[in-house]
Amino acid sequence: GAGVSQSPSNKVTEKGKDVELRCDPISGHTALYWYRQSLGQGLEFLIYFQGNSAPDKSGLPSDRFSAERTGGSVSTLTIQRTQQEDSAVYLCASSLVGTESNQPQHFGDGTRLSIL
Amino acid sequence: EDQVTQSPEALRLQEGESSSLNCSYTVSGLRGLFWYRQDPGKGPEFLFTLYSAGEEKEKERLKATLTKKESFLHITAPKPEDSATYLCAVQGGGTYKYIFGTGTRLKVLA
Repeated sequence: GAGVSQSPSNKVTEKGKDVELRCDPISGHTALYWYRQSLGQGLEFLIYFQGNSAPDKSGLPSDRFSAERTGGSVSTLTIQRTQQEDSAVYLCASSLVGTESNQPQHFGDGTRLSIL
Repeated sequence: EDQVTQSPEALRLQEGESSSLNCSYTVSGLRGLFWYRQDPGKGPEFLFTLYSAGEEKEKERLKATLTKKESFLHITAPKPEDSATYLCAVQGGGTYKYIFGTGTRLKVLA
């Protein structure tokens, strides 16, 4: 079956420009996460969506970062006025939300963002 | 504070040379410990979930075990195609957040 799909796979842009990253989760998965992965670093939590609940935005590094999830499915992560330190791989994951046990996350292949 | 530490950072093995990767964790009320494999340019691929101390799971040449403080990923007679970065993550009680380690980069030489 179809996995988590992310686009674009690569994005190169100039400092100061806005970028929009897209994530299409696995159908039926109600939980959606965004992470940032920098070279040599672990996955850094950015934001979490669960159903119709208010998202947990506690991991967003600055107010230049925002995300939305429309219709409980597709999500977009927007970075405004990009800075060089924003260069990283942005990963999206989705999962079922179990009531008694955890479900594993399933990841897309990420968007590699390079800020010139 | 929930924390995950993986060791070693990097490991080089000859084909057929068995070894183990370590994931040490501190978490309040473990709900699950997860192992992932990540190939270059790809997202992490789910391998195993372990829920309680003493639990073991196997898949081909990989076996994951869990104690109250750490998990091991045992690799038996590895092949070059097992080369990848292996990530460990935990989820604590009362939270939906996953805490990831920085991974072990495994290289298996033919």
